[in-house]
Amino acid sequence: EPEVTQTPSHQVTQMGQEVILRCVPISNHLYFYWYRQILGQKVEFLVSFYNNEISEKSEIFDDQFSVERPDGSNFTLKIRSTKLEDSAMYFCASSDPGTPYEQYFGPGTRLTVT
Amino acid sequence: AQKVTQAQTEISVVEKEDVTLDCVYETRDTTYYLFWYKQPPSGELVFLIRRNSFDEQNEISGRYSWNFQKSTSSFNFTITASQVVDSAVYFCALKGGGSTLGRLYFGRGTQLTVWP
Repeated sequence: EPEVTQTPSHQVTQMGQEVILRCVPISNHLYFYWYRQILGQKVEFLVSFYNNEISEKSEIFDDQFSVERPDGSNFTLKIRSTKLEDSAMYFCASSDPGTPYEQYFGPGTRLTVT
Repeated sequence: AQKVTQAQTEISVVEKEDVTLDCVYETRDTTYYLFWYKQPPSGELVFLIRRNSFDEQNEISGRYSWNFQKSTSSFNFTITASQVVDSAVYFCALKGGGSTLGRLYFGRGTQLTVWP
C-alpha cells in the first residue's frame, strides 16, 4: 500500500541552525501539508501546498519556515534558524484529487533543538 | 472558527470491554468533514474514517463504529471488544468546507489504554 515517507525519523540540532525535513508524498497525490505536534499536545497545521505554491499557512508558519517541492517526488520543510520551541514532531501529509479531504500522514520527524 | 473538543484525556479499560471516545465540534460552515485518526506508540497518524456533514449515517467497520449527530455536534467513536493493540492516542479532527486544501483542526486527543 502506498504511504507517505519522511526522513530523518529523528533530528537533533542546535539552536540557530537550519534544518530541512524531507517528505515523499504518495505518488499520485497533488496536495501537500505540514503539521507539527509538540510533545503531549494536539496536532497543529502549519501549511498547505498545491501547484507549487502555498495555499494556506497558519500563524505558526512565520518567516523562519519555508516549503519547497524541489523535484517531482520530494516535499521539504525548512526551518532557517531553529529555536528551542521548534522541538516537536513534524508530520507531512498528502491527499489526492479524488479524495482531497482525506489526508494521509507520514510517520513524522522528531526534531529536537538543544 | 473551527474547534474540536475531546473532553476525555485518558481512558483505561480492560480487554474485551467496549469503549466510546467522545468528540464535540464547532463550526459555522454548512459543509464540513470530520475525521478520526489513531496515533499508536510508534507515533504515526493513521487515518481511520472521514464523515461528510451531509451524511449522518452511522458507520461500522469491524469492531469500530462511529456515531455522527449534527443535533449535538458530536462524532463519537466506539470500539467494541477492545484489544491491547487498540492502545493509542485517538484524535478527532475537523475540516471546514471552504476549500479543498483546508487545514485539519485536531482535538487534543484521548489516550486509550487497554489492559490485558
